[in-house]
Amino acid sequence: TQLLEQSPQFLSIQEGENLTVYCNSSSVFSSLQWYRQEPGEGPVLLVTVVTGGEVKKLKRLTFQFGDARKDSSLHITAAQPGDTGLYLCAGVPLNTGNQFYFGTGTSLTVIP
Amino acid sequence: GAGVSQSPSNKVTEKGKDVELRCDPISGHTALYWYRQSLGQGLEFLIYFQGNSAPDKSGLPSDRFSAERTGGSVSTLTIQRTQQEDSAVYLCASSQIAGGTEAFFGQGTRLTVV
Repeated sequence: TQLLEQSPQFLSIQEGENLTVYCNSSSVFSSLQWYRQEPGEGPVLLVTVVTGGEVKKLKRLTFQFGDARKDSSLHITAAQPGDTGLYLCAGVPLNTGNQFYFGTGTSLTVIP
Repeated sequence: GAGVSQSPSNKVTEKGKDVELRCDPISGHTALYWYRQSLGQGLEFLIYFQGNSAPDKSGLPSDRFSAERTGGSVSTLTIQRTQQEDSAVYLCASSQIAGGTEAFFGQGTRLTVV
């Protein structure tokens, strides 16, 4: 059973389109992180959200942490081919120790 | 080194042989994780080391898999009697204290069992 479910699992869009990736759980998290992984590389941290309802922007990427701290979303505006990669959410659930859980991943392809 | 280092980067082995994968975490990082990733898929948790505490081995898929971390630094993941379904990329990550801080990943070891 996956603690963090991401949707969609696969996404293929044209350059310039907008998209949203969702990360959902039934557990409460102290914080959630988003990572991007490019082929042949390990995942790299994009952002950490800590406060329920928090919104963070990173250029064309907007990250939101749900009010109840059980979910998060990543919105990309005007996607570029350079955004192609595997997007992973991750976090440590409250009261379960310190193990880091990763989401199921969303594979994004942006077609020029 | 400055980052997490894994070796070898690629390993091809025959079915039934044992393999050892190595991870050198960032110096001073007390938390170390091993994950397995199939092509284009998410990360499957294998094992977690935190300081001197007993490791969380709950993700190891079978008793053919084991891992150790010597001196709180280098870690070795051992797969005995490899099977074709063990073929995947094995990723190691370390973080400064524990979950909730940034996890830094190595580039992984691509294991192919033929």
